[in-house]
Amino acid sequence: GAGVSQSPSNKVTEKGKDVELRCDPISGHTALYWYRQSLGQGLEFLIYFQGNSAPDKSGLPSDRFSAERTGGSVSTLTIQRTQQEDSAVYLCASSFGSYLSYEQYFGPGTRLTVT
Amino acid sequence: AQKVTQAQTEISVVEKEDVTLDCVYETRDTTYYLFWYKQPPSGELVFLIRRNSFDEQNEISGRYSWNFQKSTSSFNFTITASQVVDSAVYFCALSEANYGQNFVFGPGTRLSVLP
Repeated sequence: GAGVSQSPSNKVTEKGKDVELRCDPISGHTALYWYRQSLGQGLEFLIYFQGNSAPDKSGLPSDRFSAERTGGSVSTLTIQRTQQEDSAVYLCASSFGSYLSYEQYFGPGTRLTVT
Repeated sequence: AQKVTQAQTEISVVEKEDVTLDCVYETRDTTYYLFWYKQPPSGELVFLIRRNSFDEQNEISGRYSWNFQKSTSSFNFTITASQVVDSAVYFCALSEANYGQNFVFGPGTRLSVLP
């Protein structure tokens, strides 16, 4: 079946502009995660959605970052007033179950460059 | 708090050598899950294995094997007879069943297998 898809694959934006990154999880997966990976670094957790529960936003680095998940499926990560330090690859993952025991399946990522 | 340490930042081996990637974790939970992911040069993370804290049996899958030792809080990954296609960044990750709200990834180990 189809895996996790993300769009766009690359995004170049000017400092101060807003950007929206999209994630389509695997059909039937109830959990969705966003991570940020800076060049040569590990994964930084941003936000976690599980079904209809309130999302875990504990990883969002500032109030310029927000995310939504509509209808329990597609998710959008929005970064307002982008800064150069926001440049990174943004990864989305989904998993089947409602517990953290389930493995995550990752999308190809969106490479964001803020100039 | 959850923490995952991968002390080896980069490893280089020659093809057909065996190589072990170390992972040490910290958790206050009695029920937790450990994972390994592979991130090849293409960028997309690939799930390799999940292990729960009650199952200390070692696992072998082809050239891959995993050694889980609760006594030393380690979950090491060995590749036997390495191949060039094994070149990637490998991440160890931890999730807690009761206390944690998300996954914690280690910083990753970059493995280069030279022909």
